[in-house]
Amino acid sequence: QKEVEQNSGPLSVPEGAIASLNCTYSDRGSQSFFWYRQYSGKSPELIMSIYSNGDKEDGRFTAQLNKASQYVSLLIRDSQPSDSATYLCAVNMPDRDDKIIFGKGTRLHILP
Amino acid sequence: DTEVTQTPKHLVMGMTNKKSLKCEQHMGHRAMYWYKQKAKKPPELMFVYSYEKLSINESVPSRFSPECPNSSLLNLHLHALQPEDSALYLCASSQEQLSKPQHFGDGTRLSIL
Repeated sequence: QKEVEQNSGPLSVPEGAIASLNCTYSDRGSQSFFWYRQYSGKSPELIMSIYSNGDKEDGRFTAQLNKASQYVSLLIRDSQPSDSATYLCAVNMPDRDDKIIFGKGTRLHILP
Repeated sequence: DTEVTQTPKHLVMGMTNKKSLKCEQHMGHRAMYWYKQKAKKPPELMFVYSYEKLSINESVPSRFSPECPNSSLLNLHLHALQPEDSALYLCASSQEQLSKPQHFGDGTRLSIL
């Protein structure tokens, strides 16, 4: 199993709908989970951090964590064309010196 | 505006040149990182500095040489690079090493001729 897995997409979502991005990870000891947004040709931008099971909301973004299932997701409500980007899931890996490992990213395309 | 500043934004160099990439942060973070990112790939960790000491070197070739002059500055010295080293080089910082959220600079796009 890869350490951090994401569907590469593209995921196409109509404007105004909810976009759901998923990520699974391999290390049961992981405690820190991050979502980054990266526009083409730009650097990653941190949009959410989550450390506890459950939901964490910030504006139109909600991160969901289920450590038992080793699953973290990002929901984007009222999707806008400006949300079109690659979303990177990043997880700490205690069995790899606690390094943050990035998934390959999911390309999201919001359809106007 | 990013709080991690990288210079230059673009760099073109020949395989025999020596150049340096610079990174500066004023957030009081004690950990700083260099990543390499190729197109359509995730960032790959190269080096980690924690409290100005090199704590992780991900088996990076010696043609890349990091330096941390103080807690706000991070340099990456480049010498005798290969065409496959062309990539986006990202600097990041975090409050403490690893596990904490990392904040990225805008990156330096490096092209090796």
